[in-house]
Amino acid sequence: GQNIDQPTEMTATEGAIVQINCTYQTSGFNGLFWYQQHAGEAPTFLSYNVLDGLEEKGRFSSFLSRSKGYSYLLLKELQMKDSASYLCAVKDSNYQLIWGAGTKLIIKP
Amino acid sequence: GAVVSQHPSWVICKSGTSVKIECRSLDFQATTMFWYRQFPKQSLMLMATSNEGSKATYEQGVEKDKFLINHASLTLSTLTVTSAHPEDSSFYICSARETDRVSQPQHFGDGTRLSIL
Repeated sequence: GQNIDQPTEMTATEGAIVQINCTYQTSGFNGLFWYQQHAGEAPTFLSYNVLDGLEEKGRFSSFLSRSKGYSYLLLKELQMKDSASYLCAVKDSNYQLIWGAGTKLIIKP
Repeated sequence: GAVVSQHPSWVICKSGTSVKIECRSLDFQATTMFWYRQFPKQSLMLMATSNEGSKATYEQGVEKDKFLINHASLTLSTLTVTSAHPEDSSFYICSARETDRVSQPQHFGDGTRLSIL
């Protein structure tokens, strides 16, 4: 079966750095997406990785290792507005998006 | 950037009512749109993939006669929840892609919160 694992919840301090991990087991791989979802709102696109390595976009970076079936989202200089759920999604061999359950990130002052 | 508009944002209605939700791509054409449902504190669950000019593809366990999808144009898809009951209360979200490129992300509407009394 297809499976994506993320921690359910994480807590971090304002101004700090946090890494949210995602491991996946899917039938084929055509890229991995990270989305941010604030409570009661729809998800917004953060990043896309299809090749191994780190993609940096401002305070957010995303890393992929295809051989390990592993990705992480790195958030630097955390702000209170970063409190949200972060969803990892993998596009499989049929180009279907398989979604993780999301990681709720709580930022404390 | 790509904008997806979803309407209405909030619906409260009596059991047995049918509810129509619209999803529009405002500045791009979308041959494919997606309908998701999300229960509190759970992840997105894909209900169906809507293809312009053809029948929608429903995920296993989703009743196509209850959740009617119409994708009549390249910028509009509708989801009608027929004879809604309290268990249909949920957050419904649509999304669309600008192209079918693998790297193309889905852009989401703001969602519709449906409450059936």
